Amino acid sequence: QVHLVQSGAEVKEPGSSVKVSCKGSGGTFSSHGISWVRQAPGQGLEWMGGITPMFGSPNYVQKFQGRVTINVDELRSTAYMEVSSLSSDDTAVYYCARDGDTAMVYWGQGTLVTVSS
Amino acid sequence: SSELTQDPAVSVALGQTVRLTCQGDSLRTYYASWYQQKPGQAPLLVIYGKNNRPSGIPDRFSGFTSGDTASLTITGAQAEDEADYYCQSRDINGVHLWVFGGGTKLTVL
Repeated sequence: QVHLVQSGAEVKEPGSSVKVSCKGSGGTFSSHGISWVRQAPGQGLEWMGGITPMFGSPNYVQKFQGRVTINVDELRSTAYMEVSSLSSDDTAVYYCARDGDTAMVYWGQGTLVTVSS
Repeated sequence: SSELTQDPAVSVALGQTVRLTCQGDSLRTYYASWYQQKPGQAPLLVIYGKNNRPSGIPDRFSGFTSGDTASLTITGAQAEDEADYYCQSRDINGVHLWVFGGGTKLTVL
């Protein structure tokens, strides 16, 4: 059974950065893409970007280009997502999910990032 | 990027059938997937591909696509089906990109 376990909740000041990790177990980590999805309080799901380890280069939604960095450490079966220049609008639950051909079957438990001074 | 449009809220009487819809140009090329999300929980995949259910998803959930519109049908809605439902597909601008619909809040009366 595949499990994705994310790092714990974070409280950050405006203008700072946050890095969230997503460790996979079960299955072959490098052969599947990992996506990052966020959900602001009371809002819907928003795909931010993703990476397929065997292909290397991440892909991002245009609004996050230059401010979000996604990478993966295959040896540790861990994906990372860093968001810089945080503002209160970035307060959200951030999820990682494993990509399938047509859907995301496996999801992490979510990481709450609160941006507050 | 692509857009997927869903009705914000739908209600259904207990035991009745309800259809949730998702409209977008990307659905002419890519299948929609559907996720159920309950408060405080991660999304749960309920339908993917042409009309496939992951293990453990009841067969009262089914999916269908025609043209630019995908639908999720719940036949005989149960109280536990009350949740937010999101559709998702690949983005027409790139196979490595994804897009979600805005979500539908389903109330079971």
